This record gives sequence, structure tokens and C-alpha cells, in this order.
Amino acid sequence: ETGVTQSPTHLIKTRGQQVTLRCSSQSGHNTVSWYQQALGQGPQFIFQYYREEENGRGNFPPRFSGLQFPNYSSELNVNALELDDSALYLCASSSGDHYGYTFGSGTRLTVV
Amino acid sequence: AQKVTQAQTEISVVEKEDVTLDCVYETRDTTYYLFWYKQPPSGELVFLIRRNSFDEQNEISGRYSWNFQKSTSSFNFTITASQVVDSAVYFCALNQRGSQGNLIFGKGTKLSVKP
Repeated sequence: ETGVTQSPTHLIKTRGQQVTLRCSSQSGHNTVSWYQQALGQGPQFIFQYYREEENGRGNFPPRFSGLQFPNYSSELNVNALELDDSALYLCASSSGDHYGYTFGSGTRLTVV
Repeated sequence: AQKVTQAQTEISVVEKEDVTLDCVYETRDTTYYLFWYKQPPSGELVFLIRRNSFDEQNEISGRYSWNFQKSTSSFNFTITASQVVDSAVYFCALNQRGSQGNLIFGKGTKLSVKP
């Protein structure tokens, strides 16, 4: 059973650019959530996808958007990058709400 | 409002000591779920335990134990006979029924276990 895999592991972008982060969910999991973790802080919920539809969103602006594909993999897109977007972005998958969420190792995004 | 507070920012212990990580939560819902995750330097969050609001039984798993007390809105985590491999950041998290995957995390407690 494979876990959650995220790519790339590290990324450096310039302010104003756009970025796409990718996540492959654990086998058998149909729900994917994305979190942003700033240095020294706990992860903050960005949004969740279930059956290719966004079904929950945290307090993040519309320039944070996502997709979920039929194989349950997912993308997180961030437009017009700002310096404060520098963080570890974590993807989590689950087989249903409130069950254990399996997290990936994250993508470390640095905006300069 | 929902909130998770982990008042201990950093804890340092010597190997074989017992250590308790505190977690206090706030929620108005009667149905909710509490979690503990471990984050080693590699970055991924490792699931440790899930507890629902109707199950106040304490749980023990090897050297790990959890004390859930609704009366004080606390869900504390104890490591017995700590080991160097336990060094990590530990997060407590809250998930309310119907909140669509929104795990609310505390700020975490960094545990350093020295040999």
C-alpha cells in the first residue's frame, strides 16, 4: 500500500509567479485535503476535494485553487505568489471524513 | 469558535524520562474528533491517534498513552520512558462533524529527547 506522495519536494519561485504542486493520494482514498504550514506554526486548512469537487475551504484567497482527478490525485495552484506564501504545503488523503488522514512529506515552497 | 491550544512550545527531557504534552481544545459542537500527529524533521505528519467525543476512555499504545477529559476540554499525550527517536514536533488537532476535512491544529510542541 503506497502512501501519499507529493512533488516536487522543494521549489523556489519569484513573487508574482504561479506554481502548481502535485499530490498522489493513498490507494483506496477518495478525499484529498491541502494544508499550508508556515515555519513554527501548525498546518492551516486550505481546501478539500471529494469526487473531483471542492467540498470545504479554509480562509485562503481565490488565488489558491485546486483540482482533483478521476484517479483521486490532486493539484494545488497558487497564482500571483507573495512572499508570505513561503511555507510547507502538505497534502492529506482519507477514505472518509473524520477517519485518519494520511499526510505526505510536503512541498517546501520558497518565494523570493 | 474552534481552537486548539498547545501551551508548551518546547520541551527537553533526558532519555527514559516520562513526558506529557498538553492539549486544550475549544468547540461548541457535541460531536467532534481529536487527533495527535507527530512531525519528524522529514516533514510528513504521522498519525498517532483519533478519538471521538463520545469515547472518553483513555488509551495506551506501547509507550504512548492519551488522557481525554471532556470536563476540562483536554486531550493530553504521555510518552513513557522517552527515547531519542521520539524527538519531533507533536501536533494536536480538532475536527468537527461536517467540517469537510478541516483539521484545526495547535501550534505544536517540539520535543527534544537527549541521550
